[in-house]
Amino acid sequence: GQNIDQPTEMTATEGAIVQINCTYQTSGFNGLFWYQQHAGEAPTFLSYNVLDGLEEKGRFSSFLSRSKGYSYLLLKELQMKDSASYLCAVKDSNYQLIWGAGTKLIIKP
Amino acid sequence: DVKVTQSSRYLVKRTGEKVFLECVQDMDHENMFWYRQDPGLGLRLIYFSYDVKMKEKGDIPEGYSVSREKKERFSLILESASTNQTSMYLCASTPGSLDTGELFFGEGSRLTVL
Repeated sequence: GQNIDQPTEMTATEGAIVQINCTYQTSGFNGLFWYQQHAGEAPTFLSYNVLDGLEEKGRFSSFLSRSKGYSYLLLKELQMKDSASYLCAVKDSNYQLIWGAGTKLIIKP
Repeated sequence: DVKVTQSSRYLVKRTGEKVFLECVQDMDHENMFWYRQDPGLGLRLIYFSYDVKMKEKGDIPEGYSVSREKKERFSLILESASTNQTSMYLCASTPGSLDTGELFFGEGSRLTVL
């Protein structure tokens, strides 16, 4: 079966750095997405990786290793507004999105 | 700004009632999706549509149907609501071919079936 694993919950301190991991086993691979979802709100797009390596976008970076079936989202200089759930999703060989259950990130002052 | 609007943020219905969830996008996107989101589970695809009057089953279509009469509108129908359909329902859209592009989500409709 197809599977996306990410930690259920993480806690970090304001101003610090946090890495949220995502491992996947899918039938084929056509890209990996990260979305942010604040409580009670719609998910919003953060990043897309289709080739190995690091993609940087301001305070957020996303890394992909296709050979290891592994990605991480790196958040730097954490702010209270970064408290949210972070969803990892992989596009399989049929271009269907397979979603992880999400990681709830709690930021403490 | 890109906008996906879902008609109701919160609904409470009784078992057996027919439920309509409406979704409208103003971006002229070809593809529209209905997901449900439950605690501890990833988003699960119910139905999607890549063109007007076209629909495809997702992973969990049982108990649901959809309608896409106009490009901008994609409706999810629960013919006879059951308590196990209590969930958050998310509509999304994306332009162009299905192999590209981020999803744009609506705010969600939280349905409670009593």
